[in-house]
Amino acid sequence: DTGVSQNPRHKITKRGQNVTFRCDPISEHNRLYWYRQTLGQGPEFLTYFQNEAQLEKSRLLSDRFSAERPKGSFSTLEIQRTEQGDSAMYLCASSPGDRGFYQPQHFGDGTRLSIL
Amino acid sequence: AQSVTQLDSQVPVFEEAPVELRCNYSSSVSVYLFWYVQYPNQGLQLLLKYLSGSTLVKGINGFEAEFNKSQTSFHLRKPSVHISDTAEYFCAVTDTNAGKSTFGDGTTLTVKP
Repeated sequence: DTGVSQNPRHKITKRGQNVTFRCDPISEHNRLYWYRQTLGQGPEFLTYFQNEAQLEKSRLLSDRFSAERPKGSFSTLEIQRTEQGDSAMYLCASSPGDRGFYQPQHFGDGTRLSIL
Repeated sequence: AQSVTQLDSQVPVFEEAPVELRCNYSSSVSVYLFWYVQYPNQGLQLLLKYLSGSTLVKGINGFEAEFNKSQTSFHLRKPSVHISDTAEYFCAVTDTNAGKSTFGDGTTLTVKP
């Protein structure tokens, strides 16, 4: 079990630039989740994949955000035309299972995004 | 819709003292309940979970939590804390039939020598 891996760990960019983050889940985990966490708050759900299908998206996920999981393995989260308010920690999590949601999620260490 | 309220944003305690971190939730559907711990610059790690059955659940590092359906609470306890327990603790609920999890805003536990 190598755990959930997220890259990069830190990303600093100028406002208006596009950024892409990568998440490699635990192998054979069917489900993959993206969250955003700002200082002093808990993780906020962004989106969730069951294999390659994106099954749920939060209203927090504006048109500037897009997530993909093309082969049901790793996932990418892209933010276009970044804004100051996008500065946050972006967390990825994965879990096994095809039925029910009783399995806990395993989290990566996150990508911290800072917008200059 | 679901919501989670962690009633204390910060809890300072002395080493070897007992501690309780409080969590209340509301949900229109049945949920599973979880507690996670987060150390600085790291992701969340599972402490314990309640799915069904016995309302008292035991987790790692000596933590336990009690599910109270009538009060919609899931408080986390430890009888004797260590310096290494200093961290951020998050209570979370997950819809039993959907993927979305809702987290509280966290409780910062600071254990002092």
